Amino acid sequence: QSALTQPPSASGSPGQSLTISCTGTNSDVGSYNYVSWYQHHPGKAPKLLIFEVTKRPSGVPDRFSGSKSGNTASLTVSGLQADDEADYYCCSYTGGYSYVFGTGTKVTVL
Amino acid sequence: EVQLVESGGGSVQPGGSLRLSCAASGFSFSVYWMAWVRQAPGKGLEWLALINPSGSESGSVDSVSGRFSVSRDNGANSLYLQKDILRADDTAVYYCARGKDGSFDFWGQGTLVTVPS
Repeated sequence: QSALTQPPSASGSPGQSLTISCTGTNSDVGSYNYVSWYQHHPGKAPKLLIFEVTKRPSGVPDRFSGSKSGNTASLTVSGLQADDEADYYCCSYTGGYSYVFGTGTKVTVL
Repeated sequence: EVQLVESGGGSVQPGGSLRLSCAASGFSFSVYWMAWVRQAPGKGLEWLALINPSGSESGSVDSVSGRFSVSRDNGANSLYLQKDILRADDTAVYYCARGKDGSFDFWGQGTLVTVPS
């Protein structure tokens, strides 16, 4: 199972929006609505931002939103803040008790 | 408060074995799927293994299948990862995570495993 494809980096100024793509295949992202997104500050535990493509866990600001079209999922971060500077990963269920993560995107707040 | 605390990491020679543990608290451990995820130095997150609430079903990524096995003890609220035939590319921080709604909603802080080359 190959990792889902994400851009290596993305950047934006405070207050701006940015979108991170996550491209899979019709065996993972395209077949299941179990796509999730995680924020990972180095040295800390990853944090769930989005589950089931579009849903936010309690406590996650609505600045974070998810979507999916075909084999590509996306995470949009609106109103960028300094603390949003982190690594972001998508993840998809692939069937048969298996998952696959994306390659990761390093977000820089300029 | 949900807590997941990994332990058992350390340095092990190539070809050796290691058993990681994850102690869970603050939730009903026995009703949740649980997973192991790792991050090698400078690399991204890699899903390794998943186990169902009863421990009767599990899955793992092809790269560790046959070398790593996941298990759990619901009476002890603990998750385990038995790692055999360790290689240098198994060097990573290993996280345990709680599964919910097709995602992983809580994670531990991780435990570092080092396999010198």
